[in-house]
Amino acid sequence: DQQVKQNSPSLSVQEGRISILNCDYTNSMFDYFLWYKKYPAEGPTFLISISSIKDKNEDGRFTVFLNKSAKHLSLHIVPSQPGDSAVYFCAASRYSGNTGKLIFGQGTTLQVKP
Amino acid sequence: EPEVTQTPSHQVTQMGQEVILRCVPISNHLYFYWYRQILGQKVEFLVSFYNNEISEKSEIFDDQFSVERPDGSNFTLKIRSTKLEDSAMYFCASKGAFGNTIYFGEGSWLTVV
Repeated sequence: DQQVKQNSPSLSVQEGRISILNCDYTNSMFDYFLWYKKYPAEGPTFLISISSIKDKNEDGRFTVFLNKSAKHLSLHIVPSQPGDSAVYFCAASRYSGNTGKLIFGQGTTLQVKP
Repeated sequence: EPEVTQTPSHQVTQMGQEVILRCVPISNHLYFYWYRQILGQKVEFLVSFYNNEISEKSEIFDDQFSVERPDGSNFTLKIRSTKLEDSAMYFCASKGAFGNTIYFGEGSWLTVV
């Protein structure tokens, strides 16, 4: 099931700089997208989401951009902090379906160096 | 902050044994889920549960799996006869009546030997 892809398995960024994590999807029926952060042996923690009627959503240091025509979304973290080091998953769902089933990408491991 | 809680955090079981994983979803949430993550793989959807019945299930969720909400607070996943390939981290999740954000528990790590 490759409906949601995160093509970069890892990303390393200097503290204070911008981290950009990317995600692509293939199913045009997806209308709600979420980013989760995950530490080893813990559950995914919700970070930020965006509906397909928007192209940007911002929450503090986190901004998610959605490009529907390209079926692409990205998560920007500015400024990056060492505590942001974790695995980041994007996930997609069909809100109209309302079972809430999420399709996850493979994850990108972010390392923020002090 | 309300959270989804899961027990046990880790369970080791022999192949063929039954396992029950327990979850307490966020109070007043109405949609409940089980996901799993096999080591090194994606987080995968197993089942969604709403209004006391399964609303959707994946191909992974075969006859060996069942879910139940035995009372007003707990949500359980039962694996009737465990196989080695059932070894994974199992995540319970819940969602409120409005919005589409799903909140996950810390996970139950199941090791089948």
